[in-house]
Amino acid sequence: GESVGLHLPTLSVQEGDNSIINCAYSNSASDYFIWYKQESGKGPQFIIDIRSNMDKRQGQRVTVLLNKTVKHLSLQIAATQPGDSAVYFCAETPDNYGQNFVFGPGTRLSVLP
Amino acid sequence: NAGVTQTPKFQVLKTGQSMTLQCAQDMNHNSMYWYRQDPGMGLRLIYYSASEGTTDKGEVPNGYNVSRLNKREFSLRLESAAPSQTSVYFCASRSGDRVDGYTFGSGTRLTVV
Repeated sequence: GESVGLHLPTLSVQEGDNSIINCAYSNSASDYFIWYKQESGKGPQFIIDIRSNMDKRQGQRVTVLLNKTVKHLSLQIAATQPGDSAVYFCAETPDNYGQNFVFGPGTRLSVLP
Repeated sequence: NAGVTQTPKFQVLKTGQSMTLQCAQDMNHNSMYWYRQDPGMGLRLIYYSASEGTTDKGEVPNGYNVSRLNKREFSLRLESAAPSQTSVYFCASRSGDRVDGYTFGSGTRLTVV
């Protein structure tokens, strides 16, 4: 069956360093991938997405990399700031309408001063 | 502010009690969703409504019912609460068919004792 998981449940980084959060998925038919950020007491917020026909996509201070060969997704955050402290989820869906997202359990990112 | 509003934010129920979680969005989105979030697990889809007047089961629908009251409102009902339904519940809405269009509410923390 489908599964999406994260390699590390927690990640601590120094302020100013780059952060890399990883995600593995098992459904080779997945077509869309999304990263969400969830701050304490809030709902998930969309960060960036990528389609399966791409291997890299950049946003503001964030980059998502997709390696379909090994079914691996990563989120890179440049110059990590205290405001980046949150739980980060990856999610994937095989369909164009996004009705059947599978979410990973999340990685907690802690930014150290 | 425009967005998804969930009520209540916190609720404690006794086993066997019933309650309805309310969700409303003011972004004129067609699709609305109910997820539950449990420790160490990703968000799991309970029910969704692709458009006003339609509802469909998600991954974990047992023990729940939903009503798409109108385009703005999508409620989740627990007829006979069980301790296994202790969770944080998130409502989301989505614009059109774009997978990056999800907006989540801030969640309802439900405890069933």
